[in-house]
Amino acid sequence: QKEVEQNSGPLSVPEGAIASLNCTYSDRGSQSFFWYRQYSGKSPELIMSIYSNGDKEDGRFTAQLNKASQYVSLLIRDSQPSDSATYLCAVNPSGGGADGLTFGKGTHLIIQP
Amino acid sequence: DAGVIQSPRHEVTEMGQEVTLRCKPISGHNSLFWYRQTMMRGLELLIYFNNNVPIDDSGMPEDRFSAKMPNASFSTLKIQPSEPRDSAVYFCASSLASPYGYTFGSGTRLTVV
Repeated sequence: QKEVEQNSGPLSVPEGAIASLNCTYSDRGSQSFFWYRQYSGKSPELIMSIYSNGDKEDGRFTAQLNKASQYVSLLIRDSQPSDSATYLCAVNPSGGGADGLTFGKGTHLIIQP
Repeated sequence: DAGVIQSPRHEVTEMGQEVTLRCKPISGHNSLFWYRQTMMRGLELLIYFNNNVPIDDSGMPEDRFSAKMPNASFSTLKIQPSEPRDSAVYFCASSLASPYGYTFGSGTRLTVV
């Protein structure tokens, strides 16, 4: 059974601070990893993807991957109230988009003005 | 690009009735996925298609659920007969057959009373 685990939160962070979201996965053969943002009542939106160990930065977002520890994280710098949402970690075991992603249940992030 | 288009947006039906959900993927995407989202279980993969062919339907909860993709631009998910525990948001997503994440549709909120 492939599992993706996230702390459900809520995680409360002051505006302007760094928000740190974490995810662990059980399938050691997993090859590609994604972070989605989901606002209440909306569909998930892809914000970051990462495929190799280390850090990947895109604007205020940084994804970190450690395959040895089976751990993925997302850092949001200079957090804004508009970042308040549920963040879903997703794992693809094959590395290709042609297989189904396994999603965690998400972490609810609240940015306090 | 119109994105992934799902219909209807909301569906309320009585227990025992047949329900059909529809999805139009992004043009050029050759993988299509059906997910169900509930508070308790999060996002669950039901079935996915590559090049219109069903690849893995192990997530379909029961024989009451069926899905088809008659061509590259259309897919349906049918529930017959529907039950109250089928109430959830059903998402369709599509992707290229490459290590890219999905694009989700707006979802169909199904309520079975």
